[in-house]
Amino acid sequence: EAGVVQSPRYKIIEKKQPVAFWCNPISGHNTLYWYLQNLGQGPELLIRYENEEAVDDSQLPKDRFSAERLKGVDSTLKIQPAELGDSAVYLCASSLARGQGNTQYFGPGTRLTVL
Amino acid sequence: TQLLEQSPQFLSIQEGENLTVYCNSSSVFSSLQWYRQEPGEGPVLLVTVVTGGEVKKLKRLTFQFGDARKDSSLHITAAQPGDTGLYLCAGSTSGTYKYIFGTGTRLKVLA
Repeated sequence: EAGVVQSPRYKIIEKKQPVAFWCNPISGHNTLYWYLQNLGQGPELLIRYENEEAVDDSQLPKDRFSAERLKGVDSTLKIQPAELGDSAVYLCASSLARGQGNTQYFGPGTRLTVL
Repeated sequence: TQLLEQSPQFLSIQEGENLTVYCNSSSVFSSLQWYRQEPGEGPVLLVTVVTGGEVKKLKRLTFQFGDARKDSSLHITAAQPGDTGLYLCAGSTSGTYKYIFGTGTRLKVLA
C-alpha cells in the first residue's frame, strides 16, 4: 500500500515569493493534517481536515498561509508571501478517522528554504 | 498551551548501552504516543499508551505511561546503530483529537 505522498521534497525560494506544497494521503483516509517542523523539534499542527472540512485551523497563520482539500482527498498548502522564518519542513499526515489513538501516517515532508 | 518537555535533548551512546528518554508535562493526557523519525522522513508511530501505569514492550524498547498520565518514559536496552533517530512523544488531552508533540530527543548510537 502506498504511503502518504508529498511533493516537492525540497523547495528553495526567495523571500516574498509564493510557494505551494501538495499532499496525497493514504487511500481511504478521511483525516488529513499539515504540520510544520523546525530543525530538531517536534511537529506543530497547522491545520486538520475531516474530509473536505477544515475542523482545526487555529494554528494556521491566515495572513499568509492557506490550505485546501477540495474533493476530500489531495490537499495543497500555500504560503504567500514567504518569509525567512518560514524555512522548515512541512509534513502531511493522514489517518482513517479522528480519534485518540488513531494512527497518523506521515509523509516524508517538504523541506522549504527561504533565502 | 500544554507543553511536553523531553529529556535529554541530545544523547550519544555506544552500541550495547541502555538509555531512557523522558517526556514530562503538567497536563493530564488521555493518550500518549511515541514516534521515531529518521533524517528526511516523517515520524513513524512506535506505540500508543492510554492507561495510567501502562507498560508496553516493543522488542528492546519499553514504554511506560505515568500513573497520573502526565509523563512517560522510553527505555532502550542494548542500543543498536539502527536505533539512531529523533524520538518524539505526543499527547492528547481528553475531549480533543489533537496530539501535541514534545520537544524531541535526538539519539545517536555509535558502532
